[in-house]
Amino acid sequence: QSVLTQPPSVSGAPGQRVTISCTGSSSNIGAGYDVNWYLQLPGTAPKLLIHGNHNRASGVPDRFFGSNSGSSASLAITGLQAEDEGDYYCQSYDNSLSGSVFGGGTKLTVL
Amino acid sequence: QLQLQESGPGLLKPSETLSLTCTVSGGSISSSNYYWGWIRQPPGRGLEWLGSVYYDGSTFYNPSLKSRVTMSIDTSKNHFSLKLTSVSAADTALYHCARVRRGTITIIRGVRTEQHYFDSWGQGTLVTVSS
Repeated sequence: QSVLTQPPSVSGAPGQRVTISCTGSSSNIGAGYDVNWYLQLPGTAPKLLIHGNHNRASGVPDRFFGSNSGSSASLAITGLQAEDEGDYYCQSYDNSLSGSVFGGGTKLTVL
Repeated sequence: QLQLQESGPGLLKPSETLSLTCTVSGGSISSSNYYWGWIRQPPGRGLEWLGSVYYDGSTFYNPSLKSRVTMSIDTSKNHFSLKLTSVSAADTALYHCARVRRGTITIIRGVRTEQHYFDSWGQGTLVTVSS
C-alpha cells in the first residue's frame, strides 16, 4: 500500500489530453512538500519528468504539466503520443515517515 | 553524461545479507549538491525509497528498513554501497541507485526540510531471495 495514491491505469488516443492524479495527506502533499513525477518506459530506468511541482526536467517537452492543490497533485499530458506510453510515478516527502515516498504508479496506454 | 551502474549478487538465500555497489561515471560523487540514493521495485509493483548517503558519509534511511540497512560511500572510487541484512522473499526486487538532487528548503510548522528528487537513475539490478 503506497503512501501516495495513483490510479492504476489511464488511457487516451493520440493527440488527446490525459491527467494522472496523485493523492496524499496532510503529512506529505497536503503539508506543502514538493511533488515530483517520473516516467518509466518499458524495460528502462525511471526518468525525471517534473520536479518542484511544476518544473519540467531538462529535455521534457511542454506537453507535460504538473500542478497541485491541497493534498493532491496532477500530471497533465497534452497532445498524447505513442512514446508517452509507460508507467508514471509521483514522489514527495512525508514528515511522519521522515523520508521520500512514492505513488504506486499509473500505467498510461496510448490507444 | 552521468551514468550509474549497480552491481552485486543476483541471488540470495533467506537470512543472508544483500550487498550492492553503485559505480558513478561522468560526474563526481563528491559534489555537495547531491545525495546518492537507493530505490527498489518489487516485481510488478511500485517504487520504494530505501535511503540516501551524502559525500561526507552522513545517511538517512527509510524508517521501515532502518534496522537492516547500511549505506556507505567511497569518494576515492566514486561509488556508494548498500547493505541489507536478514533478507527474505519480500526483499526480492529490482534495486536502482540514483543521484538525489538537493532541492528547495521548506519550513513547515517550524520544521526545516530540504526537498529531494531523483534526477538520474541506474538501470537497476534484480535481486532474488529464494531458498
